[in-house]
Amino acid sequence: GENVEQHPSTLSVQEGDSAVIKCTYSDSASNYFPWYKQELGKRPQLIIDIRSNVGEKKDQRIAVTLNKTAKHFSLHITETQPEDSAVYFCAASIGNTDKLIFGTGTRLQVFP
Amino acid sequence: ETGVTQSPTHLIKTRGQQVTLRCSSQSGHNTVSWYQQALGQGPQFIFQYYREEENGRGNFPPRFSGLQFPNYSSELNVNALELDDSALYLCASRAKDRTNTEAFFGQGTRLTVV
Repeated sequence: GENVEQHPSTLSVQEGDSAVIKCTYSDSASNYFPWYKQELGKRPQLIIDIRSNVGEKKDQRIAVTLNKTAKHFSLHITETQPEDSAVYFCAASIGNTDKLIFGTGTRLQVFP
Repeated sequence: ETGVTQSPTHLIKTRGQQVTLRCSSQSGHNTVSWYQQALGQGPQFIFQYYREEENGRGNFPPRFSGLQFPNYSSELNVNALELDDSALYLCASRAKDRTNTEAFFGQGTRLTVV
């Protein structure tokens, strides 16, 4: 079945450094790739997404890149701040539907 | 904060019992998806409802069932509860007829089965 792998499972960085989280997906028909941030005890919140007709998208300190050939996509956070600390999930659509398969999450800790 | 609300926020049930979880979708949204998030894991797709009909199902047994009402709110029912059903249950709503609209998650219902 469809699968999304996410690495690393934990990531610790110093404030101001960059953080990169990587995901690979198995369904070549997937065409939508959102990233969610989930703080402890709270709902997942969409932080950025990308569709398969685009290779890169940026929103202030956050960027996502997509390599369709290799079936992997990455989240880049620059100039990290302590409030970026949370669990980040990547997801891929099941085919060209709006149903999502999530990765296992990356716990990001940003130390002041 | 999103307009998606879930009730109850916490629930404790005994193995073998049945449970109903509720989701009120954001105004203008006609699609509700349900996800199960076990501790330390990513959400797993259970099923989706669109215009009161099931529109796709993940790898969950038939004892997981759902409903969507004319106002697009939704229920998730789980029969014969098992210990492994303990998880955070999330619903997400979106407007399916509009392209490129994101899904908004509710705050979830934490179910504990003892």
